[in-house]
Amino acid sequence: NAGVTQTPKFQVLKTGQSMTLQCAQDMNHEYMSWYRQDPGMGLRLIHYSVGAGITDQGEVPNGYNVSRSTTEDFPLRLLSAAPSQTSVYFCASSLLGTGNYNYGYTFGSGTRLTVV
Amino acid sequence: AQSVTQLGSHVSVSEGALVLLRCNYSSSVPPYLFWYVQYPNQGLQLLLKYTSAATLVKGINGFEAEFKKSETSFHLTKPSAHMSDAAEYFCAVSQTGANNLFFGTGTRLTVIP
Repeated sequence: NAGVTQTPKFQVLKTGQSMTLQCAQDMNHEYMSWYRQDPGMGLRLIHYSVGAGITDQGEVPNGYNVSRSTTEDFPLRLLSAAPSQTSVYFCASSLLGTGNYNYGYTFGSGTRLTVV
Repeated sequence: AQSVTQLGSHVSVSEGALVLLRCNYSSSVPPYLFWYVQYPNQGLQLLLKYTSAATLVKGINGFEAEFKKSETSFHLTKPSAHMSDAAEYFCAVSQTGANNLFFGTGTRLTVIP
């Protein structure tokens, strides 16, 4: 059971370049999300999805796009990279809680992105 | 809107001493609360979660946390620190019925031999 798999683990981009961070999970989780982690700021939600074909914005969505064509995959696209997007990016997934229950997340190991 | 505040960005304890990491929450409705641990260069791992079933929650690696509504707190404790506990710890909150988690800024725990 691989859990949540993120690729690549490291990436260096030049300002203005575009790229896609990949995230795949094999647990049949309906919910998937992307966070960025910056020193002293904790994790901030970029985008999330509650199922295939459904996405929504989080706290810091500007400069990022997502799509959810399958339950397993939730790629994050940087359209035109900027130095402010230098960060560690985490993908997370969970079952959708029935009623009021929240299962908590399973996290990937992260992608460290540097924009120069 | 819900949020969490973690008091102390860095905490140092001696090996064998009590670990206390503080988290206060702000939520307009009964929250779900979580503690996660992040070891260097790794993703976050769930330590424990409060989902209103019991106010004292036991997690992995000997950690536990107590939900105190009157103090809006969910502090993480461990009676005796081990060197392997050195990591960054995050408190997170969500509203009941919602899946999005909102994280605190984290507390880095150092264990001194």
